[in-house]
Formats: sequence, C-alpha cells, structure tokens
Amino acid sequence: QKEVEQNSGPLSVPEGAIASLNCTYSDRVSQSFFWYRQYSGKSPELIMSIYSNGDKEDGRFTAQLNKASQYVSLLIRDSQPSDSATYLCAVNIRGKGSQGNLIFGKGTKLSVKP
Amino acid sequence: DAGVIQSPRHEVTEMGQEVTLRCKPISGHDYLFWYRQTMMRGLELLIYFNNNVPIDDSGMPEDRFSAKMPNASFSTLKIQPSEPRDSAVYFCASSLFINTQYFGPGTRLTVL
Repeated sequence: QKEVEQNSGPLSVPEGAIASLNCTYSDRVSQSFFWYRQYSGKSPELIMSIYSNGDKEDGRFTAQLNKASQYVSLLIRDSQPSDSATYLCAVNIRGKGSQGNLIFGKGTKLSVKP
Repeated sequence: DAGVIQSPRHEVTEMGQEVTLRCKPISGHDYLFWYRQTMMRGLELLIYFNNNVPIDDSGMPEDRFSAKMPNASFSTLKIQPSEPRDSAVYFCASSLFINTQYFGPGTRLTVL
C-alpha cells in the first residue's frame, strides 16, 4: 500500500465552484499534514498545514483532517482560474527513522474553467 | 528576504559525467532537504540535514549520489557518474521548524 495516495485527476471545476481534493495515508501515527500547491514548471509552495482533527480555514481554503479514517482533504471555495495547479498532499511519516520525513503524494491536477 | 537559491537552474550533461547541484538555504533555517521530482515517482526526499549534519539519507538512490553541507549557508548534491535515469527536477528546501519547508526553484537535470 502506498503511503500517501491522491487521485491524479485532472479534476475540472467551473469558476466559482468548490474544488474538493482528497488524500489518504497509511501511517496511523502520523501527526502533521500539509497541502502544497505547484504551478507547472514551478516549485511547491505550502498553502495549508493541519495537525488536529477537524477543519482549519484560511481564506478560501479549508483543510479537513480525520485521523480515524486516515484522510485529509482540501476544499477551495469560489475557485478561480489562478487556482489551476497540481496540489500535493504531504504527511509526516513517523517510524521512518527521523522526524523530518515528509512523504508526498503524487498530486492532484486541478483545472478551473472560466 | 531571499528565498532558497539553487544553481544551476538547468543542466544538460552526458552519461558518465559528474554533476554538482548547489543550494543556499534561507538564512537562519536549520534544516535543509534535497528532493527529486519525476512524473513517474513524484516528489521524493533524498536526504536532509539538521544544523549541517546529515540526519536521514535513506532516500539516496545509490552510491553515485552524495550530498554535503559544509556550512549553514551552502549545500551540494553530487552525482558521479550520471545516468539518463537521473534526469529529473531536483529541489532544495529549507525550514526553521521541521515541517514548514520552503522550496527553491529547482534544477532541471537532463542526462543524455
């Protein structure tokens, strides 16, 4: 079983809609979860972090974490064409010998149509 | 403040040649990470340092790869000899707290 899984997409949504991006992870003791956005040809940039169960909101972005289900999601409200990018889920995998081992999913490509 | 700086931005070399990638982390950051990104494998952690000391190099694919961090403001990733399958984008990232990583612009490596 892959450690961090995401649907590769592409996920296509119309402008103004809610985009929902999902991620599952295999390590039950993971404590830290992140969403990175990567535009084509650019480097990943951190947009959200979440550490406890529930929702965390930041502007148009909401991260949701359910540790019992080993599931983390990112909602983008009022999607804009500028949100079109690949979204990477990253999870801190404990038991891999070091605290800094972030495991990335392969990303979901989001396309927001005007 | 300047972000993470990587050089070169693009590198084209022939199989068997030595390749050296360079990284300057954000000033004051105590963690430095080297990643490789390909379409097939996604973003993979190769090695990371804390206070210039290598902490986890389990992601380094083989002995052809080596990384050093001689001081807090400079790190290198060396591939010797290079092979076509090493073609990828190599990212350096740094952080002050272990999980908030800031990525450099990357080096696109092509090995012919």
